[in-house]
Amino acid sequence: KAGVTQTPRYLIKTRGQQVTLSCSPISGHRSVSWYQQTPGQGLQFLFEYFSETQRNKGNFPGRFSGRQFSNSRSEMNVSTLELGDSALYLCASSERVSGYGEAFFGQGTRLTVV
Amino acid sequence: GENVEQHPSTLSVQEGDSAVIKCTYSDSASNYFPWYKQELGKRPQLIIDIRSNVGEKKDQRIAVTLNKTAKHFSLHITETQPEDSAVYFCAASSNNDMRFGAGTRLTVKP
Repeated sequence: KAGVTQTPRYLIKTRGQQVTLSCSPISGHRSVSWYQQTPGQGLQFLFEYFSETQRNKGNFPGRFSGRQFSNSRSEMNVSTLELGDSALYLCASSERVSGYGEAFFGQGTRLTVV
Repeated sequence: GENVEQHPSTLSVQEGDSAVIKCTYSDSASNYFPWYKQELGKRPQLIIDIRSNVGEKKDQRIAVTLNKTAKHFSLHITETQPEDSAVYFCAASSNNDMRFGAGTRLTVKP
């Protein structure tokens, strides 16, 4: 099986712009979770989607949103980018809902806001 | 929601020594505790996990212990090797809502 694929791998955006990141889960996986990784902050949970429905949401502002399609692919959108949004964004997929078993991570999208 | 604290944030050991990383969680309903290893420039990967009905689990040189009463769990790595150098994340899942600790950067010096 192919692993979790995230596109693009690298992205440079300007403050105020918006960005969309994509995550294709492992075939058959219905859960996709998104995390923001910054040095010293670990993996901060953004949200989880399961069967096209948002199950959980972390403590991020409304500028961060996501969705999941019927084929389980997920997108994350950040509007009105701020310098502090620069980070590695990781998605993880699992067969069942998050926290039930192993989550498989993608390689991440490194977003730089200038 | 669940809150996970992880200590230490950095850990340096000599090759062959043991390393211990500790995590505490807040939600007594948490029932699944995985540990992930992230090597430099790579994605996090599961190395071991434990469920709340088990107190200890071992896999070769790594082991995880869980104290439900105290709400803490630990990762133990014995006979450390340079390839164990990485960032380690603990996580706790409550109601299938998984949260991660801030990570521990382990350096194993040859």
